[in-house]
Amino acid sequence: GAVVSQHPSWVICKSGTSVKIECRSLDFQATTMFWYRQFPKQSLMLMATSNEGSKATYEQGVEKDKFLINHASLTLSTLTVTSAHPEDSSFYICSASGQRISSYNSPLHFGNGTRLTVT
Amino acid sequence: QKEVEQNSGPLSVPEGAIASLNCTYSDRGSQSFFWYRQYSGKSPELIMFIYSNGDKEDGRFTAQLNKASQYVSLLIRDSQPSDSATYLCAVNTGGYQKVTFGIGTKLQVIP
Repeated sequence: GAVVSQHPSWVICKSGTSVKIECRSLDFQATTMFWYRQFPKQSLMLMATSNEGSKATYEQGVEKDKFLINHASLTLSTLTVTSAHPEDSSFYICSASGQRISSYNSPLHFGNGTRLTVT
Repeated sequence: QKEVEQNSGPLSVPEGAIASLNCTYSDRGSQSFFWYRQYSGKSPELIMFIYSNGDKEDGRFTAQLNKASQYVSLLIRDSQPSDSATYLCAVNTGGYQKVTFGIGTKLQVIP
């Protein structure tokens, strides 16, 4: 149980374009989804937390107008990187949790990640 | 700022040996601690979690927690080349499933 699917697994785009990344919970209802970013040889950094039907909460230093998060259903959250630039090239990973499978302290269920390269 | 510290390595151990991975954290109020394994280019996968002081064993893996010293470790017995990966320590730092990750320790198991 607790399968999280992320798509695409990799994407290359030109500078100035927008890219959408999808995160789906396949066998549970994800009331909360987390979006992380990982630069090479660095730690996972939480970008934002989204609750179904609510606006996302962004971590300090993350531009909410650049990284648009939509969590309109209990099985899907999307992250759109708008006007992408080479410095946005990174590994983006989502994590999903739900009331029936997660608690305050329970482990995270990660998607497979998306490698974004902006040229 | 709540921090999680790990030596980035690489830590090299011969096949069959015990690998010891260490992590310290700054927030004394942390209640839950996780070890994830991450292969290059892949997403992290959960290895162990521990909530109470002491040891927790699962197969070849043992997690050790000492809240007084703010220290958590992961022991891997009978290390295999397939264990070669980066091991991320993660600590719940307040908030629903809100964790802070360390930079990860790269483990190399030499055949």
